[in-house]
Amino acid sequence: ILNVEQSPQSLHVQEGDSTNFTCSFPSSNFYALHWYRWETAKSPEALFVMTLNGDEKKKGRISATLNTKEGYSYLYIKGSQPEDSATYLCAFMSPEAAGNKLTFGGGTRVLVKP
Amino acid sequence: NAGVTQTPKFQVLKTGQSMTLQCAQDMNHEYMSWYRQDPGMGLRLIHYSVGAGITDQGEVPNGYNVSRSTTEDFPLRLLSAAPSQTSVYFCASRIRDRGRNEQFFGPGTRLTVL
Repeated sequence: ILNVEQSPQSLHVQEGDSTNFTCSFPSSNFYALHWYRWETAKSPEALFVMTLNGDEKKKGRISATLNTKEGYSYLYIKGSQPEDSATYLCAFMSPEAAGNKLTFGGGTRVLVKP
Repeated sequence: NAGVTQTPKFQVLKTGQSMTLQCAQDMNHEYMSWYRQDPGMGLRLIHYSVGAGITDQGEVPNGYNVSRSTTEDFPLRLLSAAPSQTSVYFCASRIRDRGRNEQFFGPGTRLTVL
């Protein structure tokens, strides 16, 4: 069973502040790391798909970095806004994943306070 | 494209009843999967399929059956509903490509078993 962990489980951010959180995954073998944004009462939507060590991706005020050698990815939110409130999920795929399965972390729940 | 569709959106069952959750996608994706989402548990994989006629078990398959007779459809059957199956169920699909492309989720089915 692959261990994909996200920390912290939840965090409160003041509007306008920047924040970041972590996804840890096995560093031994790597195919891809996904980030999804999941708003309450909606379905998860993809933010980034990262496949190379050192990858940096950006979408508006949200960005992500990837370190496959040490097994972690950071997601950053710059100048948080109330609409950034959501659960952020990472998902990992390794070469051993039968059928190319994604293994999801437990998520980081972000609440941006006005 | 409609993307990934799921029906019904809400369902209440009595213990012991059976039902089928429907999932369809119109993106010609090979890979389809079913997840359940429970508080504090993140997304857990129930069953998945890498193409028509091929299915396999995920992390929590007990009490569920699936079939994949066409590329488009991937129904999930609850054989004899139990209160422990009260959850939100998400269907997802993506290209089977070693994780290089994002996964698309349906809107979810909220199931309550009394």
